[in-house]
Amino acid sequence: EVQLVESGGGLVQPGGSLRLSCAASGFTFSSYWMHWVRQAPGKGLVWVSRINNDGSSTTYAGSVKGRFTISRDNAKNTLYLQMNSVRAEDTAVYYCTKGGLAHFDYWGQGTLVTVSS
Amino acid sequence: QSALTQPPSVSGSPGQSVTISCTGTSSDVGSYNRVSWYQQPPGTAPKLMIYEVSNRPSGVPDRFSGSKSDNTASLTISGLQAEDEADYYCSSYTSSTTVVFGGGTKLTVL
Repeated sequence: EVQLVESGGGLVQPGGSLRLSCAASGFTFSSYWMHWVRQAPGKGLVWVSRINNDGSSTTYAGSVKGRFTISRDNAKNTLYLQMNSVRAEDTAVYYCTKGGLAHFDYWGQGTLVTVSS
Repeated sequence: QSALTQPPSVSGSPGQSVTISCTGTSSDVGSYNRVSWYQQPPGTAPKLMIYEVSNRPSGVPDRFSGSKSDNTASLTISGLQAEDEADYYCSSYTSSTTVVFGGGTKLTVL
């Protein structure tokens, strides 16, 4: 059974940093693209970032480029999102997703990030 | 990259069919067969219903179907059931190699 379990969310001050983690199991982690997708409270889904299977290729949404970094550790079956210089508009539930280039076939339950002073 | 355009809400009675549209541009929906659809009941994580325009993952009922014409993709749900009530989102690959979602459509089963 595919499982994606996010952690690391919480309250962070504007301008601060946070690192999200996603522990994957039930599939060959090193074979798949992985993504982060976020959803602000009461709002729609927004794609954040993508990383290829071996970590050699990453892509970001314009709104987070230069501030967020996606990475993965295939030995630990774990996906990461380093969030720097966070803003109020980064407040959202962050979902870890498994998939292909542009679709997401499994989703975690999400971790809430709140940016506030 | 602007969000894809979806109607805010649609509704239908049990047994009927409903169609949700998703309009993009020639830089996303119109140029790539990488349109997906997701179902999100309240308080839960999204679930993939359709990928690459018209493909259904294993376990998704064949009542759900997808199509595309020019810059507009569509999700059709036939034989509507109460359990289909949820928010639905489309997404597409873009010429910038990113992914863009639609604003979401709330489906109400009357």
